[in-house]
Amino acid sequence: KQEVTQIPAALSVPEGENLVLNCSFTDSAIYNLQWFRQDPGKGLTSLLLIQSSQREQTSGRLNASLDKSSGRSTLYIAASQPGDSATYLCAVSPFTGGGNKLTFGTGTQLKVEL
Amino acid sequence: DAGVIQSPRHEVTEMGQEVTLRCKPISGHNSLFWYRQTMMRGLELLIYFNNNVPIDDSGMPEDRFSAKMPNASFSTLKIQPSEPRDSAVYFCASRKQTGLNTEAFFGQGTRLTVV
Repeated sequence: KQEVTQIPAALSVPEGENLVLNCSFTDSAIYNLQWFRQDPGKGLTSLLLIQSSQREQTSGRLNASLDKSSGRSTLYIAASQPGDSATYLCAVSPFTGGGNKLTFGTGTQLKVEL
Repeated sequence: DAGVIQSPRHEVTEMGQEVTLRCKPISGHNSLFWYRQTMMRGLELLIYFNNNVPIDDSGMPEDRFSAKMPNASFSTLKIQPSEPRDSAVYFCASRKQTGLNTEAFFGQGTRLTVV
């Protein structure tokens, strides 16, 4: 059974700092990995999707990397802003099933302070 | 596109009552998912459909839970009878399953409280 772990569970940083969120998964036979953001009381917003054959994806100040063989992904946020405060979730889908059936990590709660 | 639309946003009901949650996926998406989020267990997949057909319902906790997708633009998740431990946020998500990797998009969720 796939297990997804995110470290740290919570993180508080001053504005402007670069930061890294970590995600690890136990079964490397994945189809893709997706990073989401969740604001309090809201749904999930997709940030980045990395295909199993890719090593990284970038969107603006966000960069996600994937090391499938070691079961790890990182989300790098450059020049953090208070608006980045949210819970960040990673999710993996199994190789079989065409990318469906996401298994989520427990999330990292990020607070960026002025 | 308005995104994935769920209703109601909030539902408070008494134990034993029937609860129906509704979802309208993004037009053109052919995969639909129901997730449940709690503090204790995080986000869990309950069931998903491809082309309106249930593919995997192994996450449905009990027979009290049932889901239907009568057409490509509508799905329901029903709990009958409801219990206090069913209190959670229920999310619907949709995705266009093609030969390429595509993202899953989530609705705003329905916060269910069973008293």
